[in-house]
Amino acid sequence: AQSVSQHNHHVILSEAASLELGCNYSYGGTVNLFWYVQYPGQHLQLLLKYFSGDPLVKGIKGFEAEFIKSKFSFNLRKPSVQWSDTAEYFCAVNAALTGGGNKLTFGTGTQLKVEL
Amino acid sequence: DVKVTQSSRYLVKRTGEKVFLECVQDMDHENMFWYRQDPGLGLRLIYFSYDVKMKEKGDIPEGYSVSREKKERFSLILESASTNQTSMYLCASKEGGETQYFGPGTRLLVL
Repeated sequence: AQSVSQHNHHVILSEAASLELGCNYSYGGTVNLFWYVQYPGQHLQLLLKYFSGDPLVKGIKGFEAEFIKSKFSFNLRKPSVQWSDTAEYFCAVNAALTGGGNKLTFGTGTQLKVEL
Repeated sequence: DVKVTQSSRYLVKRTGEKVFLECVQDMDHENMFWYRQDPGLGLRLIYFSYDVKMKEKGDIPEGYSVSREKKERFSLILESASTNQTSMYLCASKEGGETQYFGPGTRLLVL
């Protein structure tokens, strides 16, 4: 079964610091990869996604992620975080199921706190 | 914009009660999903549906059932609520593409 690992459960950064959140998945086939974000009191929303093509994808609010197939990784990055980036971040992998269809599997989430 | 709405933001129920959580999407999506979100566990899939009157078990279906009588509406039912079902419940929908769109969530407390 596919699984997703997010190594950092809680991250605290100062404003303007650089961010990298790790995400690794286990699945041997073709995958689609996502990062979702949940700001305090708001619903989960898509930050960026990778389906195919350029492995470096850019999302909203200056975030980007790089798909490294050989490492089964899809790490999220931002060069300079802002206080408003305080949120919980979820990595997710969509993969085909043996019996047909596909399934989205989420990591356990990383709580990011950005301090002024 | 895709809009997914959930009937309640907060709900308090007693153990043994039957609980209905409603989800409605306005984009004619075929696929709908119910997750629960717990600290340190991320989102776990309870049930999903690819079409009207069709349902499939997710990873943690025990203690839950679902109903999809109309395309836009997907209901999650707790037949007899228990304290371990206290959680945040998220509904999502998607069309043929892979991006799921989420509702605001229902925070359920079972006493």
